[in-house]
Amino acid sequence: ETGVTQSPTHLIKTRGQQVTLRCSSQSGHNTVSWYQQALGQGPQFIFQYYREEENGRGNFPPRFSGLQFPNYSSELNVNALELDDSALYLCASGGYYGYTFGSGTRLTVV
Amino acid sequence: LAKTTQPISMDSYEGQEVNITCSHNNIATNDYITWYQQFPSQGPRFIIQGYKTKVTNEVASLFIPADRKSSTLSLPRVSLSDTAVYYCLVGDVRTYKYIFGTGTRLKVLA
Repeated sequence: ETGVTQSPTHLIKTRGQQVTLRCSSQSGHNTVSWYQQALGQGPQFIFQYYREEENGRGNFPPRFSGLQFPNYSSELNVNALELDDSALYLCASGGYYGYTFGSGTRLTVV
Repeated sequence: LAKTTQPISMDSYEGQEVNITCSHNNIATNDYITWYQQFPSQGPRFIIQGYKTKVTNEVASLFIPADRKSSTLSLPRVSLSDTAVYYCLVGDVRTYKYIFGTGTRLKVLA
């Protein structure tokens, strides 16, 4: 039990569609980050939220956006899906010793 | 953000000690070194974290020389279930903005 829950676990979308991925962080963790992990690659930092505000962003276009809510849940939204967006999307909440990761959402864009 | 360099892959046999070295030449004063383990289609799992010298927990040891430009994760007596990808991260634990490298793919053989 990691304490970070992501939904759904798997998802198939069509190119051009929009998708929302959800994450429930550990209680008390004010920081949540999202990562994209392509097959065979390390996780790539998308962005981070602290107390409901974005406070860091990786090299991802604006069609990747997010929200963090007061109840320690958060969302990753991706508009105008492209085939290259197919990946495992990981949510991580910040604890004292670093991140606790969820198991991820496997997104397939066809 | 500090970039890390690790060997791409390593093979070992059950019962052996495995040492994985990570290079992080531009580590900053506030950066900690954290190692994660990742199994296929799962989120990374925290192994160990340190700032300098040596840190040991129930699963691993982390050796950090005085200049902190490298670190070595030591896994004592590995088993088949230790087959995974191991990531070395360097970052400020106050900001959680980590960069993952490609990781080291460890394969433990019987």
